[in-house]
Amino acid sequence: EAQVTQNPRYLITVTGKKLTVTCSQNMNHEYMSWYRQDPGLGLRQIYYSMNVEVTDKGDVPEGYKVSRKEKRNFPLILESPSPNQTSLYFCASSAPSGADTQYFGPGTRLTVL
Amino acid sequence: QQQVKQSPQSLIVQKGGIPIINCAYENTAFDYFPWYQQFPGKGPALLIAIRPDVSEKKEGRFTISFNKSAKQFSLHIMDSQPGDSATYFCAANTGFQKLVFGTGTRLLVSP
Repeated sequence: EAQVTQNPRYLITVTGKKLTVTCSQNMNHEYMSWYRQDPGLGLRQIYYSMNVEVTDKGDVPEGYKVSRKEKRNFPLILESPSPNQTSLYFCASSAPSGADTQYFGPGTRLTVL
Repeated sequence: QQQVKQSPQSLIVQKGGIPIINCAYENTAFDYFPWYQQFPGKGPALLIAIRPDVSEKKEGRFTISFNKSAKQFSLHIMDSQPGDSATYFCAANTGFQKLVFGTGTRLLVSP
């Protein structure tokens, strides 16, 4: 089954404790992206990657890091989480041309205390 | 800044009604306008999309109307059903998959 998976699905942590949210896709997509979803703000892009070792900032990159060492994986790293990073996070992937559809993962709900 | 403005924020219709969700944009470089549907606890999923060279696109009960001169597009759901209750996001894309999303509309279709 073609899918994007994220782990963990739910996470409660404390300020300053480094964490990583993993994202993996099995569709051989070149493009991957991270979004955060907040009430009244919709989905905002954090970082995106056009291919392995190619990443760039989205609209709200502050406080986040990413890496793309393998085509299928695109982890999101919060090195020192703060309460304002409490949000619902989505990973998405797509092919770079022709198919503009982005396939989203199930989401990770993060709470930073 | 919000590059795609979406309204209303929430919408309640009776079964069989035709909810309409509107979006407006400023950037004339946008060339792809998808709508995503999101059910509680799930990620958004592509519902229907349109390019600016057509004024309307229908897929089943879902229709996008596009007005290039006004820089507006809208989603109509014909014969709405309780199963259509979800949050709907419009979006716009300038290529390379950099989607800009609206703020979302929570739709409730009452039985």
